[in-house]
Amino acid sequence: DIQMTQSPSSLSASVGDRVTITCQASQDISNNLNWYQQKPGKAPKLLIYDASSLEAGVPARFSGSGSATDFTFTISSLQPEDIATYYCQQYEDLRITFGQGTRLEIK
Amino acid sequence: VQLQQWGAGLLKPSETLSLTCAVYGGSFSPYYWSWVRQPPGKGLEWIGHISHGGSTNYDPSLKSRVTISVDTSKNQFSLKLTSVTAADTAVYYCARRRGLGLLDYWGQGTLVTVSS
Repeated sequence: DIQMTQSPSSLSASVGDRVTITCQASQDISNNLNWYQQKPGKAPKLLIYDASSLEAGVPARFSGSGSATDFTFTISSLQPEDIATYYCQQYEDLRITFGQGTRLEIK
Repeated sequence: VQLQQWGAGLLKPSETLSLTCAVYGGSFSPYYWSWVRQPPGKGLEWIGHISHGGSTNYDPSLKSRVTISVDTSKNQFSLKLTSVTAADTAVYYCARRRGLGLLDYWGQGTLVTVSS
């Protein structure tokens, strides 16, 4: 099974900061990597799919990059409403695994 | 597209968890339909999925206890998890799988608590 290592597990940043989260796969997954945002008590929301494609309706301050085993998720200018937990997710042979999550807080 | 889910929220150990998810709007096929769970305070865990034609894939750690089924006449799919323990306490989500592996629409979540 493919393991996803996401870091950091938590992050504190100020409004307007550039925020970066990384996700590493235990083997080559090409660009089969998605990013989700989850706010407390809510279902996850898809932000980025296929490593770098922005889901419709998602603000352009969110972006993703990477391929093979190393991936990055970036918020270019942190907004108060971005406070949430973020998860990476890979798919391989129709199976899905998630990263451990990154809890993002306002400093 | 809206996913609405329901099912029993309190179970005793050894009982069977049963949840159903109804899909409103959009096409039921050719998507896969998934279940994901989240233990309290923890991360997301994929349980499995089913195609509109009934083809299934399950997480290996749950495979012996899980059954996902589909009723295309009602645009619904269901999850059964047998012999539950406290470790199965979680919020359970249904979701639509688009393309090869992204989950783009989610149900509201159902908290299932296993306690004697």
